[in-house]
Amino acid sequence: DQQVKQNSPSLSVQEGRISILNCDYTNSMFDYFLWYKKYPAEGPTFLISISSIKDKNEDGRFTVFLNKSAKHLSLHIVPSQPGDSAVYFCAAPYYNQGGKLIFGQGTELSVKP
Amino acid sequence: NAGVTQTPKFRILKIGQSMTLQCTQDMNHNYMYWYRQDPGMGLKLIYYSVGAGITDKGEVPNGYNVSRSTTEDFPLRLELAAPSQTSVYFCASSYGEFGNEQFFGPGTRLTVL
Repeated sequence: DQQVKQNSPSLSVQEGRISILNCDYTNSMFDYFLWYKKYPAEGPTFLISISSIKDKNEDGRFTVFLNKSAKHLSLHIVPSQPGDSAVYFCAAPYYNQGGKLIFGQGTELSVKP
Repeated sequence: NAGVTQTPKFRILKIGQSMTLQCTQDMNHNYMYWYRQDPGMGLKLIYYSVGAGITDKGEVPNGYNVSRSTTEDFPLRLELAAPSQTSVYFCASSYGEFGNEQFFGPGTRLTVL
C-alpha cells in the first residue's frame, strides 16, 4: 500500500523555466509534508516542508502547494537551474512509529542548459 | 559539525556473511533511523530509536538487528546476508518526532552475492 505516491519517475525542463513536481497521498491523517533532494551517492537533504494548516510555503525559488481536499501537493522551482538536477522525494511523517518518514518513489529532475 | 556519518561507503558480502553498518551523529539528536532504498523506490524504514536503550521495528526489520547504547551511535547488524539485502542503506537522525526534519548520512551501498 503506497501511501505517498510520485507518479512521474522523471522530468526534464529547460534552464530558467518552471519545474513542477507532483505528489499524492492517501492517508488523511498526514498533517505535515517534507520535500527532500538527493544527488547521486549522497544522502537526501531537506528542502522545504509544509504543515496542513497552510496551503502554501515559499523559500526562495522553491514553493510547495498543498491541496488537502485532493490529497495532493506540488513543488515548484522557479527559475530552474542545472544545479537543481537531482531526485526529489516527497515524504510524510507517520507518528505512531517514531515519526518515521513515508517516502514517495521519487522524481528525477533534469534541468538542461 | 560532521552531522550524520556512516561507514563503510561500499561493501560486498557473500551470502551468509554478517556485518555491521556504523552510524554516528554529533547533533545530540534523540531520534535515529535506519532506512533502505531499493532501485526506483522510496526509502523504507528498517528500525528506529527514540533514545539510548530504546529501539523498535520499522516496516522491513527481518534480517536486521540494532542497538543504541549511546545517543551518538546507532549500528545496524546484518546476520546471514541474503541477496534480497542488496540495497543502499541510509541512517538518519532528528531532534524529535513532530515537525522536525530528519538529517541523513551519505549512505552505505551493500551488495550481497
